[in-house]
Amino acid sequence: EVQLVQSGAEVKKPGESLKISCKGSGYSFFHYWITWVRQMPGKGLEWMGIFYPNDSDMKYNPSFQGQVTFSGDKSINTAYLQWNSLKASDTAIYYCVRRAVGDSPFYFDSWGQGTLVTVSS
Amino acid sequence: QSALTQPPSASGSPGQSVTVSCTGTTNDVGGYNYVSWYQQHPDKAPKLMIYDVNKRPSGVPDRFSGSKSGNTASLTVSGLQADDEADYYCSSYAGSNTYVFGTGTKVIVL
Repeated sequence: EVQLVQSGAEVKKPGESLKISCKGSGYSFFHYWITWVRQMPGKGLEWMGIFYPNDSDMKYNPSFQGQVTFSGDKSINTAYLQWNSLKASDTAIYYCVRRAVGDSPFYFDSWGQGTLVTVSS
Repeated sequence: QSALTQPPSASGSPGQSVTVSCTGTTNDVGGYNYVSWYQQHPDKAPKLMIYDVNKRPSGVPDRFSGSKSGNTASLTVSGLQADDEADYYCSSYAGSNTYVFGTGTKVIVL
């Protein structure tokens, strides 16, 4: 069974750093792109960017470029989303999501359970 | 990279059909046949319902169907059931390994 298991909820103060994780199982983790999706409280889904664990290729949504960093460790089937200096506006649920593979892999076929990040002084 | 436009809500009675629209531009919806739809129940992760405009993953009932005309894609849910009440999001490939989501539509089963 394909699974993406994300790290637990975090409560941080503005200015602090944070790295959340997403561990894949049940498939060849490094052969699938991982995308990150933000959902602010009561709001819709936002595509943050996409990361390829096999060679660390990545693409950021310009709205998130410079605000977050994607990384991964294919030896442990894990992708990461990192902030160097959190803001209150980073409060949201963050989903890691597997992009499909195949002839037209332009959709997201497996979602993590989400990590709630709360930034408050 | 602007969000695709969806109506805030759509409703129908049990057994009826409801259609949700998703409007983009020639740079996303209109330029590619790579529109997908996701269902999200409260406090749950989204779930893939439709991909490549009109294909259903295994396990998704055939009551869910998709279509596209020009810059607008649509999701139709036929034979509405109580469990279909959820938020629905469209997504489109936008070129150069980028994607965009819709603003989301709350489907209400009356």
